Amino acid sequence: AQSVTQLGSHVSVSEGALVLLRCNYSSSVPPYLFWYVQYPNQGLQLLLKYTSAATLVKGINGFEAEFKKSETSFHLTKPSAHMSDAAEYFCAAHQFYFGTGTSLTVIP
Amino acid sequence: KAGVTQTPRYLIKTRGQQVTLSCSPISGHRSVSWYQQTPGQGLQFLFEYFSETQRNKGNFPGRFSGRQFSNSRSEMNVSTLELGDSALYLCASSYGRAGVNEQFFGPGTRLTVL
Repeated sequence: AQSVTQLGSHVSVSEGALVLLRCNYSSSVPPYLFWYVQYPNQGLQLLLKYTSAATLVKGINGFEAEFKKSETSFHLTKPSAHMSDAAEYFCAAHQFYFGTGTSLTVIP
Repeated sequence: KAGVTQTPRYLIKTRGQQVTLSCSPISGHRSVSWYQQTPGQGLQFLFEYFSETQRNKGNFPGRFSGRQFSNSRSEMNVSTLELGDSALYLCASSYGRAGVNEQFFGPGTRLTVL
């Protein structure tokens, strides 16, 4: 069975600070991994995806994620948070298996 | 290109009723997936349709069903509604099978069961 765990349902960072959102997966096969962002009253938008081509994946809006097989992790980072980054973030494996989401708050 | 559209955007039903939600995928996309989103549960996969055939199914009771038409539009039906069915129902489309291809999500249908 496959599953995705997002550690921390709420994360707060100051504007300009590092953003780190954690995602761990369990999979019996090499996974396809995705990060999505959801703004209020909107659907999900793809930030980035890992498909085994490179372990460090760059996405939109300055986000990136690193696939670490030994840690079964795919954490999302951004060097400097912006107010517009405040949203709900979801990690997903094989597209169908989503984590419970992390709500990011950016403090001015 | 128009995005994924879902109708209606909001629905209020009472327990025991049934409801049908509609999803129109992006033109050319053949895969449509449905998800239930609730606070604390995140997104839970309902089913995926590809070329009018159900290809994958999540762990939901038989009250939840769906279908896809030849133009790739999809409908989801929930019968005998329960209070716990109140949720945001999201539809997503992709060009190929949803397992490896990017999915494009609609804005969702907010279902409230009273």
